[in-house]
Amino acid sequence: AQRVTQPEKLLSVFKGAPVELKCNYSYSGSPELFWYVQYSRQRLQLLLRHISRESIKGFTADLNKGETSFHLKKPFAQEEDSAMYYCAPQETSGSRLTFGEGTQLTVNP
Amino acid sequence: EAGVAQSPRYKIIEKRQSVAFWCNPISGHATLYWYQQILGQGPKLLIQFQNNGVVDDSQLPKDRFSAERLKGVDSTLKIQPAKLEDSAVYLCASSLDLEGHQPQHFGDGTRLSIL
Repeated sequence: AQRVTQPEKLLSVFKGAPVELKCNYSYSGSPELFWYVQYSRQRLQLLLRHISRESIKGFTADLNKGETSFHLKKPFAQEEDSAMYYCAPQETSGSRLTFGEGTQLTVNP
Repeated sequence: EAGVAQSPRYKIIEKRQSVAFWCNPISGHATLYWYQQILGQGPKLLIQFQNNGVVDDSQLPKDRFSAERLKGVDSTLKIQPAKLEDSAVYLCASSLDLEGHQPQHFGDGTRLSIL
């Protein structure tokens, strides 16, 4: 069965420090990969997707097919980055997203 | 643009009772999703509609859950009868396309508590 794992439920860093939120998946082939984010008292929203190769709010995510990982990274964390982050692979175009359990990121001043 | 609207925001019922949730997607969005999010877990897709047709309901517990989108716009999700394990936040989302190239836009959710 397809699985997605976010090994850290909680992650705490200081402002200005690098941050990496881990995501591993067990899909075969070439899944499409997304990161969604939920800020406090806001709705769940798309942060970035692999296919667009974009950087949003300073975050990037690199797909490593050999390790089947799609870790989310930011070189200098900001307090406003504190949120819940969900990795969500999509096995094939049009198939469902499978959300990980999420990582709660706290950026301390 | 107006976002995805859901109601009610909160609902408390006793087990074996029935409950219904309503979702109004963003205007023009053909695809509508219902997710169940249990505390401490990520959202899990229950059902996906493309216009008024069901695309994926493989994870919907069909013995007690039902959903419809009769006119291809608004949707309702019903639970009958409810069980304690149905306590969760029920999220509705919509997107412009089916393939997933467009982002899913989520509502605020309905928090359901079963006593």
